Amino acid sequence: SQQGEEDPQALSIQEGENATMNCSYKTSINNLQWYRQNSGRGLVHLILIRSNEREKHSGRLRVTLDTSKKSSSLLITASRAADTASYFCATDSSNTGKLIFGQGTTLQVKP
Amino acid sequence: KAGVTQTPRYLIKTRGQQVTLSCSPISGHRSVSWYQQTPGQGLQFLFEYFSETQRNKGNFPGRFSGRQFSNSRSEMNVSTLELGDSALYLCASSTGSGAFFGQGTRLTVV
Repeated sequence: SQQGEEDPQALSIQEGENATMNCSYKTSINNLQWYRQNSGRGLVHLILIRSNEREKHSGRLRVTLDTSKKSSSLLITASRAADTASYFCATDSSNTGKLIFGQGTTLQVKP
Repeated sequence: KAGVTQTPRYLIKTRGQQVTLSCSPISGHRSVSWYQQTPGQGLQFLFEYFSETQRNKGNFPGRFSGRQFSNSRSEMNVSTLELGDSALYLCASSTGSGAFFGQGTRLTVV
């Protein structure tokens, strides 16, 4: 399997703190994407970073990509209770809609 | 624009039966992918269709099949259901900017 690894598996923080999740993958990629999933529902696309990009921002989200280390990180700043969810990274190596997902990080933000 | 619609949302089937799940992508999206999510294996890619052709296939047995129609709607079929097929099945339609997922079909095999 080409599935990547995410760490930590679980993260618990207080509202207002920052949350950082890391993702490592095994093969070369075209892009890497981050998704959020609430309680076993559908996944919500958060951000896509292409292989030639190093950093990308979207609101309170900051994603970095290091292709030499085959790793990415997702930073959520000033977290809110509503950010409580599972977060997954997914790699796209073929631009054909096939995504390889990591195991996910479960984030709990305490009010 | 309407999002990705999956039907049904919940399904209970008996071992040995077959099941068909449906996915309507976002209008204009021609790529539709299917994923299986279980607590043990996580999110695993099943297959992807583009313009009615299967472009990619994951490592699942032949009991899992799919198709795509000319309007881009897709169906996946699982024959001879096993207890281990119990999972959340997610469909996604995509462009070059990322995939958009439906709410999934929760399949329980008893």
